[in-house]
Amino acid sequence: DTGVSQDPRHKITKRGQNVTFRCDPISEHNRLYWYRQTLGQGPEFLTYFQNEAQLEKSRLLSDRFSAERPKGSFSTLEIQRTEQGDSAMYLCATTPLGGRIRETQYFGPGTRLLVL
Amino acid sequence: KQEVTQIPAALSVPEGENLVLNCSFTDSAIYNLQWFRQDPGKGLTSLLLIQSSQREQTSGRLNASLDKSSGRSTLYIAASQPGDSATYLCAVVSTGGTSYGKLTFGQGTILTVHP
Repeated sequence: DTGVSQDPRHKITKRGQNVTFRCDPISEHNRLYWYRQTLGQGPEFLTYFQNEAQLEKSRLLSDRFSAERPKGSFSTLEIQRTEQGDSAMYLCATTPLGGRIRETQYFGPGTRLLVL
Repeated sequence: KQEVTQIPAALSVPEGENLVLNCSFTDSAIYNLQWFRQDPGKGLTSLLLIQSSQREQTSGRLNASLDKSSGRSTLYIAASQPGDSATYLCAVVSTGGTSYGKLTFGQGTILTVHP
């Protein structure tokens, strides 16, 4: 257990429905990342927050995806009008206060999404 | 654009063998390289982090080396055990542009150690 928690751990939904995932970082970790991992592949970067500011978004993050980090604490990732291609593991990772790039990232257990 | 490749894609060895996992990256402008372990259906656990100025890091039976100029890293596992069975992922943080510390991952090596 790294101290980063994600909820829910598993989500099954029907195509076209909206889903929202939550990530709770280790206290005082000001850098927060979201990644997506499909079966048999390594994680791919989706978006990055420094405190409450969303500073970078991957081209993988279509208009149906939105992420927030109010007050620089927990973060949410919402997918609207889900498609079968959205089925994946969604991982959250955080780094310590000060957020030096040379620090390791601490990953949560992930939310596995299945879109039927 | 940074690309990370891991070889082999899968490896099966008997318990007790020493083994080497390989990772290569296309852009040598990196802050660091990390090796992670991922158990089925779980998140990632950091094993070793090598800064760009370092050549290797060791933790217990694990040793990771980095040759930044050639874009290569190896993870050496000594005296493998069935509990080492997992997917091993290599990832780099690039210095170019607005990386903000994001990791670029390889596709992983699935390791099976059988008794």
